[in-house]
Amino acid sequence: SQQGEEDPQALSIQEGENATMNCSYKTSINNLQWYRQNSGRGLVHLILIRSNEREKHSGRLRVTLDTSKKSSSLLITASRAADTASYFCATDSGGYQKVTFGTGTKLQVIP
Amino acid sequence: NAGVMQNPRHLVRRRGQEARLRCSPMKGHSHVYWYRQLPEEGLKFMVYLQKENIIDESGMPKERFSAEFPKEGPSILRIQQVVRGDSAAYFCASSGQATNEKLFFGSGTQLSVL
Repeated sequence: SQQGEEDPQALSIQEGENATMNCSYKTSINNLQWYRQNSGRGLVHLILIRSNEREKHSGRLRVTLDTSKKSSSLLITASRAADTASYFCATDSGGYQKVTFGTGTKLQVIP
Repeated sequence: NAGVMQNPRHLVRRRGQEARLRCSPMKGHSHVYWYRQLPEEGLKFMVYLQKENIIDESGMPKERFSAEFPKEGPSILRIQQVVRGDSAAYFCASSGQATNEKLFFGSGTQLSVL
């Protein structure tokens, strides 16, 4: 079964607005990662946050992690049409454990 | 430094044929993951391999599917006697270490079973 569940499943916003996506997971984790997938392409790593971190920034991306609630959020500020893609969270439970992906949020940024 | 290379990009097979999907990880990476993605869905874990070892194959169907990552050469995902339900995009990812490492993905192989 999937470890992560993203919310919302789909999101449509105007260019310039902020986009927030949430991810909930079930078991304890070592780290949580966010990936982006353009249609028909492989996934591209965006950002990794470790279990002992609460917030991380990378350019227009801001990720938070709340291990007590087993949830994470990805905020994209000042969105652009080029941000249109599907976004997935992925969890790693450490050791020789598989990395499992959530169901994804499909983001559409309207120019 | 070449990224993760998957081939073929597209593969068409008739029911009952065999499909072989190849993945060459990034240089220096010894961990390979295979995922399957149906349209409009997330990635479903299939198998996690290290060189010459299968670490976790809990996501792989017990029959018809097999994977290997030999000491030399690419990782191979093999599907025997394909059925229409096997049609999907199959992605390979690699990492340098087992933990705390981001995955680098290939562009995927789109398998279509006629």
